[in-house]
Order: sequence, then C-alpha cells, then structure tokens
Amino acid sequence: QKEVEQNSGPLSVPEGAIASLNCTYSDRVSQSFFWYRQYSGKSPELIMSIYSNGDKEDGRFTAQLNKASQYVSLLIRDSQPSDSATYLCAVGYSSASKIIFGSGTRLSIRP
Amino acid sequence: GAGVSQSPSNKVTEKGKDVELRCDPISGHTALYWYRQRLGQGLEFLIYFQGNSAPDKSGLPSDRFSAERTGESVSTLTIQRTQQEDSAVYLCASSKNHRDEQFFGPGTRLTVL
Repeated sequence: QKEVEQNSGPLSVPEGAIASLNCTYSDRVSQSFFWYRQYSGKSPELIMSIYSNGDKEDGRFTAQLNKASQYVSLLIRDSQPSDSATYLCAVGYSSASKIIFGSGTRLSIRP
Repeated sequence: GAGVSQSPSNKVTEKGKDVELRCDPISGHTALYWYRQRLGQGLEFLIYFQGNSAPDKSGLPSDRFSAERTGESVSTLTIQRTQQEDSAVYLCASSKNHRDEQFFGPGTRLTVL
C-alpha cells in the first residue's frame, strides 16, 4: 500500500515568518512530487513540482526533496494571511498507475 | 478555455435519483481522474482513465458509481440511486500522462436531500 503522510494540523504561523510543511512517503522508488494548495470551498491548485533531490525555489516557495529519507517539504517565506489554506502533498510512484495524495495540512497565518 | 471544466457546478437531487456529472479535461491530456471530497475531508480517489487503457476503478465505493470516457475527451461520472452519504464535491483532474502534475476542475457540489 503506497502511503503519503502529512500532519493534519492546524499549523499556526505568525505573519512574516517561515511556514514549514512536511510530507513523508512510503516507497523509496518514487519519481515525482507535488505540492497543491486548496482554499476552503475551492479545488486544489498546483504550487510546485519537484523531481530530483535538493531544493527548488519559486518566489516565496521552496520545495525540498530528500529521497534517502523519503520526505518532501514545502517552505513558505514571509508568510501572508492569504497563504492560509490546506496544503496537499502528492507522490508519483513508479510502481503505481497514478499519483497518491496525502490528506493535507491546514495552515493558518495569524496577523 | 485552457483549464479543466466541470458541469454542473451545483446539483441538488432527491434520494434515489440518478445524477450525471461531466468533466472536460485540458486538450491533449491523456489521463483523467475523478475524486470525491466530503466536507472537511481529504481527496478520495474514485476512478482513473489513461488513454485507451482499461480504467482503474479501484476507488469506486459501490456499484452505484460508474464512469465513462470516450478516447481522450469528455468524461461522465454517473451515480445511480443517490444516497445522502453521496453528498460531496466531486472533482475532476487531468494530466498529460499518469504521474505528471494534475490540474483540477472547479468541482461539482452534489447535495442529496
């Protein structure tokens, strides 16, 4: 059974601080990793994808992948109240026909 | 439009009725997915289509649920004899290929009275 685990939260972070979201996955042989943001009442939207070990930066967002430890994280710098949402981690396993979603972490940015 | 579209956006039905939900994927995307999301819950995978391969139906909760897709175009999700526990948002997503990033439609909010 392929699994993607996330802490459900809520994670509360003060405005302007760095929010750190973590995700672990069960299968070492995984190829693709994604972070989605879902606002309440809206559908998930893709924030970042990462395929190789290391960091990938896009504006205030940085995805970090460590395949040896089987985790992927998302850092949000200079957190804003508009970042308050649920963040979903998704993993593409080479042995599976589809990507697997975690249950999401609720992030709350307090002014 | 460039994105995934779904219709209707809202559907209210009576218990026992059949409903049909539609998804238009992004042009050229070979993979199409249906998910269910109950209020305050995570995504629940229902079914997945990849090109002309047999669909992965492993997530369908009962035989009241079925879905079709013609080629790489529109898909319809049908729920027969709806029950109150079917009330949820039904999301469709498409991707270029399986294991690529998925792009979601706005969803259909189904309410079964």
